[in-house]
Amino acid sequence: DAKTTQPNSMESNEEEPVHLPCNHSTISGTDYIHWYRQLPSQGPEYVIHGLTSNVNNRMASLAIAEDRKSSTLILHRATLRDAAVYYCIRFINTGKLIFGQGTTLQVKP
Amino acid sequence: EAEVAQSPRYKITEKSQAVAFWCDPISGHATLYWYRQILGQGPELLVQFQDESVVDDSQLPKDRFSAERLKGVDSTLKIQPAELGDSAMYLCASSFGPQETQYFGPGTRLLVL
Repeated sequence: DAKTTQPNSMESNEEEPVHLPCNHSTISGTDYIHWYRQLPSQGPEYVIHGLTSNVNNRMASLAIAEDRKSSTLILHRATLRDAAVYYCIRFINTGKLIFGQGTTLQVKP
Repeated sequence: EAEVAQSPRYKITEKSQAVAFWCDPISGHATLYWYRQILGQGPELLVQFQDESVVDDSQLPKDRFSAERLKGVDSTLKIQPAELGDSAMYLCASSFGPQETQYFGPGTRLLVL
């Protein structure tokens, strides 16, 4: 199963917006894009998901390219507690999450 | 807030020994997943249950791994015999159904010596 592609790491300053990119050029038309994040020594935590339209929730926003080959997770104001590994994931309609390598986000005070 | 429970949190064993991990999903969640996460990588699905039935175990090394969910609630993942390469985090997740959001437990970190 093809996986998504993300930068290995990114840095951000506290209280500034963060844009986390993801490439999924081989995604099928029915696969959703999910984002989870994982803090050290914890299980992954759901952040947001979408199919074609941009999505917003209390944690983040998800911008999906019109051709669906890429997407961007947006944290509007990063806090120190947002430091984590962020996974951009293919969600297959059987329920299978296909994780990539993830992006380690560092937030500097 | 309901959570997925896993035990033990940590397990150290010697190669060729048997190990077992337990997962108690969020009440009412019919779908249960076991993932393996090698250090520095994303989790990989090992097995997916719908109630007590296995839906997907295509990535489960069936010569040494087994998983069961006898009453469709809690689940056990077993490795026998353990090998050095099995050292990893074993994560359990659950959801109301296969199309719904998955909630992960804290995981069991296994070290095989």
